[in-house]
Amino acid sequence: ETGVTQSPTHLIKTRGQQVTLRCSSQSGHNTVSWYQQALGQGPQFIFQYYREEENGRGNFPPRFSGLQFPNYSSELNVNALELDDSALYLCASSPNPGSRTGELFFGEGSRLTVL
Amino acid sequence: GENVEQHPSTLSVQEGDSAVIKCTYSDSASNYFPWYKQELGKGPQLIIDIRSNVGEKKDQRIAVTLNKTAKHFSLHITETQPEDSAVYFCAASDGGSQGNLIFGKGTKLSVKP
Repeated sequence: ETGVTQSPTHLIKTRGQQVTLRCSSQSGHNTVSWYQQALGQGPQFIFQYYREEENGRGNFPPRFSGLQFPNYSSELNVNALELDDSALYLCASSPNPGSRTGELFFGEGSRLTVL
Repeated sequence: GENVEQHPSTLSVQEGDSAVIKCTYSDSASNYFPWYKQELGKGPQLIIDIRSNVGEKKDQRIAVTLNKTAKHFSLHITETQPEDSAVYFCAASDGGSQGNLIFGKGTKLSVKP
């Protein structure tokens, strides 16, 4: 059973650029959630995907968008990067549909630095 | 929406002592309360969780208690070891339909040999 994998592990961008982060969910999991973790803070919910559709969204602007593919893998896209977008972006998968809260399995994260 | 407060922000104990981390939540509709351990450079790892129909749960040296009336829950680690050193996060489920987790700000636990 493979765990949640994320890529890239680290990346540096400049203000105004766009970034795409990728996530492969744990085997058998059909729900993927994305979280942003600023330095010294707890993770903050961005959005969740279930059956290739957004199934809930936190307090993040529309320039944060995502996709889920038929194999349940997912992408997080951020447009018009701002300095405050610098953070660890965590992907988490779960075996439950988005309408039920269940255990989340996190990946190691993608560390984004915006200069 | 849900708000989770976690205390203390840092905790230092001697090896073999117990450690207690406390969290409070605001949304009475929350029904799932997990605890995560995050080591440096890694993603959070679930260590124990509790649902609102249970008051206490134990797994070896780790236990969690939940007081729904007071809206607080606590993590207890007994016989601490240096490898327990990490940042611990409590979380509560969003009472709405999204089912997402609201995290506390974390507690950095240091266990000194």
